Amino acid sequence: QPVLTQSSSASASLGSSVKLTCTLSSGHSSYIIAWHQQQPGKAPRYLMKLEGSGSYNKGSGVPDRFSGSSSGADRYLTISNLQSEDEADYYCETWDSNTHVFGTGTKVTVL
Amino acid sequence: EVQLVQSGAEVKKPGESLRISCKGSGYSFTSYWISWVRQMPGKGLEWMGRIDPSDSYTNYSPSFQGHVTISADKSISTAYLQWSSLKASDTAMYYCARKLYSSSSPLDYWGQGTLVTVSS
Repeated sequence: QPVLTQSSSASASLGSSVKLTCTLSSGHSSYIIAWHQQQPGKAPRYLMKLEGSGSYNKGSGVPDRFSGSSSGADRYLTISNLQSEDEADYYCETWDSNTHVFGTGTKVTVL
Repeated sequence: EVQLVQSGAEVKKPGESLRISCKGSGYSFTSYWISWVRQMPGKGLEWMGRIDPSDSYTNYSPSFQGHVTISADKSISTAYLQWSSLKASDTAMYYCARKLYSSSSPLDYWGQGTLVTVSS
């Protein structure tokens, strides 16, 4: 089963950009992942599906400021023009035929 | 509009049983898996298992197999998560989420969550 590795925290200034990384374990570098946002005290929200090619499809209503990219086993979420409401935990998710797996989450702080 | 609406918060004692629910609307309920996800206080997301509402086929994470039961009633577009004997360590927020029957589809809509508190 795949394992997803995320850094625990990231921070950036209001209006700047931040790039989060989710790394797939060995042997799973081709897997599709998804990014989810969880604002404080709220349910998770689906942001996008991201393929190994770098192609991504965003969920309904997700702002243009959110984009995805890939390199090898790494999957990235970039938030541009960072806003106060982007302060949240961000989880990556992947799946196979019988299971889903989440990364440990990255807490984004807006300075 | 796609919605997954979960039942309200519960406060239970250790050893008691519990069933929480997740009702889907705005889409074809039997075309999507429903997963259950646990979030313990201050912790990350843990996938517990899922059900195919069309035939009630289930998959469980090994971490949760035997500790919970996932079921569904497709006639009322509702999935359930149940415990026969709660423990204090079951205190957590529980979310349901849906996934299309496709190998390339993620969890794409989430319920609002149900807080379960188990305390003597």
